[in-house]
Amino acid sequence: EPEVTQTPSHQVTQMGQEVILRCVPISNHLYFYWYRQILGQKVEFLVSFYNNEISEKSEIFDDQFSVERPDGSNFTLKIRSTKLEDSAMYFCASSNTGARPQHFGDGTRLSIL
Amino acid sequence: QKEVEQNSGPLSVPEGAIASLNCTYSDRGSQSFFWYRQYSGKSPELIMSIYSNGDKEDGRFTAQLNKASQYVSLLIRDSQPSDSATYLCAVNQGAQKLVFGQGTRLTINP
Repeated sequence: EPEVTQTPSHQVTQMGQEVILRCVPISNHLYFYWYRQILGQKVEFLVSFYNNEISEKSEIFDDQFSVERPDGSNFTLKIRSTKLEDSAMYFCASSNTGARPQHFGDGTRLSIL
Repeated sequence: QKEVEQNSGPLSVPEGAIASLNCTYSDRGSQSFFWYRQYSGKSPELIMSIYSNGDKEDGRFTAQLNKASQYVSLLIRDSQPSDSATYLCAVNQGAQKLVFGQGTRLTINP
């Protein structure tokens, strides 16, 4: 069964450094998403991406965050200057339409020191 | 921010019994509703989707939707120890965004 793949599985970074989290969505899906889950808390929406542009973003997704689809398969989340509070699991998801089920990758655990 | 509410549990159910999980949501415009299962330290795994009022069955799982009451539920029949996990209710808000509840932790006791 097709799946969303994310790399790396765990990223440890010093505060203030830039990180790029990578995702390969399911191949025939057109909508891509990033969510995060701080330990012990809810899964929170960050951003959705369709037709090579951001279609919706949350208040969490401030100027430090950016997304890109650099080629036909990858979808990336960049955090420019990481803060301690960015430590969380980051999940990439994809769906074939906006209202259909979103399928999640295994996540990247981001630890900011 | 429109909310999705779940009882955080823990909910303990004996093996072989029916587990009943509930969720309410505040956005009357929501049209798509999902249940995800999340094992500790893992990602959300889609179990059920439901879009219209009534029941939808898939194997041991039944999702129920009542849009007038803004209520979604998940029944798990013949509960197994492997069903022990956190169950997340998720609701589409707007075109694409999913809003998740805090999850209900379910424990199936052998």
